[in-house]
Amino acid sequence: GQQLNQSPQSMFIQEGEDVSMNCTSSSIFNTWLWYKQDPGEGPVLLIALYKAGELTSNGRLTAQFGITRKDSFLNISASIPSDVGIYFCAGRGSSNTGKLIFGQGTTLQVKP
Amino acid sequence: SQTIHQWPATLVQPVGSPLSLECTVEGTSNPNLYWYRQAAGRGLQLLFYSVGIGQISSEVPQNLSASRPQDRQFILSSKKLLLSDSGFYLCAWSVTVYNSPLHFGNGTRLTVT
Repeated sequence: GQQLNQSPQSMFIQEGEDVSMNCTSSSIFNTWLWYKQDPGEGPVLLIALYKAGELTSNGRLTAQFGITRKDSFLNISASIPSDVGIYFCAGRGSSNTGKLIFGQGTTLQVKP
Repeated sequence: SQTIHQWPATLVQPVGSPLSLECTVEGTSNPNLYWYRQAAGRGLQLLFYSVGIGQISSEVPQNLSASRPQDRQFILSSKKLLLSDSGFYLCAWSVTVYNSPLHFGNGTRLTVT
């Protein structure tokens, strides 16, 4: 079945630093989504990508849909303490049921 | 705008007791609905999804069941809880247009004792 590898598993950075995380899949995806989850809450959509090569920004966040359609990355610039949380990538293949495959998450901690 | 509600937020139940978690969506019609379980704050496992009233697809054989009695209502149930059913349960919805993103509720923390 389809699998997603998300890395790194965790990051501990200084406030103001830039952050990069990525996901790779074993098969082609048609959609890549990036979510952030705060403790005790549901994941919140950050960025949605629908075309190979697409580069999309949302404030300090930038994500790209890999040209091979098997990978995506998320960058956070100038991190701040409220960036703390778990970041998930999710991809969707050719199924029309909307089922997403989720990565295992990247836990981000920011030291003030 | 669309909103999704899940309740209860937390639940502690003894082994062998029944379970009913409810999820409702407002502001949209005929959504796709999903139940996910998250263990230890990482990794979301799809349990059930529904593309319409009374239509339920199960992804993982388990002690749980799901029902969709109304268009915007999705219920997760169990007749007898197991210790391994403990976890964080998330409901999500999406519009039926292909490649639309999922939107999650705030989850239910279930502890089976």
